[in-house]
Amino acid sequence: GAVVSQHPSWVICKSGTSVKIECRSLDFQATTMFWYRQFPKQSLMLMATSNEGSKATYEQGVEKDKFLINHASLTLSTLTVTSAHPEDSSFYICSARESPPPGTFFNYGYTFGSGTRLTVV
Amino acid sequence: AQSVTQLGSHVSVSEGALVLLRCNYSSSVPPYLFWYVQYPNQGLQLLLKYTSAATLVKGINGFEAEFKKSETSFHLTKPSAHMSDAAEYFCAVSSNTGFQKLVFGTGTRLLVSP
Repeated sequence: GAVVSQHPSWVICKSGTSVKIECRSLDFQATTMFWYRQFPKQSLMLMATSNEGSKATYEQGVEKDKFLINHASLTLSTLTVTSAHPEDSSFYICSARESPPPGTFFNYGYTFGSGTRLTVV
Repeated sequence: AQSVTQLGSHVSVSEGALVLLRCNYSSSVPPYLFWYVQYPNQGLQLLLKYTSAATLVKGINGFEAEFKKSETSFHLTKPSAHMSDAAEYFCAVSSNTGFQKLVFGTGTRLLVSP
């Protein structure tokens, strides 16, 4: 089945530094990737949607200059948390939606990465 | 706008008992509905999905869910709980328009006792 590799699985960084999280679809092409943030014991909050070759679409309230998303290829999307602060500490999860098969338009396969635990000290 | 409501942040069952996790949706267009499971510090694993085909959907690990339009529900069930089913379960809704992004419910933690 479809696999999405997300790394690092955990990272600790100092306040003020930047952290990059990668999300790769290993055996399929992902036209669209989604980035979520999850606080302890809470649900997933969609941060942004990225489409290959175009700018990401951010959800209301998410700072685009702080959370930089790049989707340079059909298999790779990155999330960079810039000038991280302790309040950015969270669990970040990516999800990739498979490109629809030839001749079809919609595909409902969403595959999630294993998540990245970010701790800013 | 689409949304899902999961009733009960925690559900406790005994091993071997019926599992019932509730999900109600709100959508102005035909919804696509999903159930995911999450184990601690891990990503989400798809249990099953409804995409306008059969209303009774069978998933992995013995789970199934029934789409009931009249009740706007998509409850998840399993006849007999196993200890390994203890996890967080999320219901999610999407549509066939726009980016088709998933909107998640608040989650239900399933506790299974021996």
